[in-house]
Amino acid sequence: DADVTQTPRNRITKTGKRIMLECSQTKGHDRMYWYRQDPGLGLQLIYYSFDVKDINKGEISDGYSVSRQAQAKFSLSLESAIPNQTALYFCATSDLGGELFFGEGSRLTVL
Amino acid sequence: AQSVTQPDIHITVSEGASLELRCNYSYGATPYLFWYVQSPGQGLQLLLKYFSGDTLVQGIKGFEAEFKRSQSSFNLRKPSVHWSDAAEYFCAVGARPGGTSYGKLTFGQGTILTVHP
Repeated sequence: DADVTQTPRNRITKTGKRIMLECSQTKGHDRMYWYRQDPGLGLQLIYYSFDVKDINKGEISDGYSVSRQAQAKFSLSLESAIPNQTALYFCATSDLGGELFFGEGSRLTVL
Repeated sequence: AQSVTQPDIHITVSEGASLELRCNYSYGATPYLFWYVQSPGQGLQLLLKYFSGDTLVQGIKGFEAEFKRSQSSFNLRKPSVHWSDAAEYFCAVGARPGGTSYGKLTFGQGTILTVHP
């Protein structure tokens, strides 16, 4: 089993719908992240959490919210999805060493 | 603010040829530097990282990278490319422990590598 698991892997939804992407990890890391990948733009940080009580906005947090339910779980929500949120979303974890460990990604399409 | 530039969006090489992927960063102090690879439909896998010490870093799959402080560069190299190296490659920069930005990585735009037989 993967150390960082994202669900769903693929999702197609309509404009205005609420969407939640979930991430769970078995690495025992305190730090968790949500990134968004768009072609030609690399990865952009949406939100990050250094422990259960710590939530921080990244570069592109508008239109997104997160919840850190436990050390191992970090979910990303789109309250009202719009087409330009169509992208590949990655959850990642890290320890104090700074290296990120990524999930396999969740591809979201908003029609 | 930290930033990363990968000047080449797409590179094509023949199998067996050498490879160099460029990465330039902007950061106010000595950074942590990373190269990740993403195969189609996959997440990102760490190839190598530079924290301190020897500026020539060896990674997995025969890759290496050299940190050049004077040029703010961290270029990725491989002497002989294999068809399985076809993927997208990302350079990333992060802060060292103790700073407010520690733990967050900033990624470049990515370089797509195509390998011809």
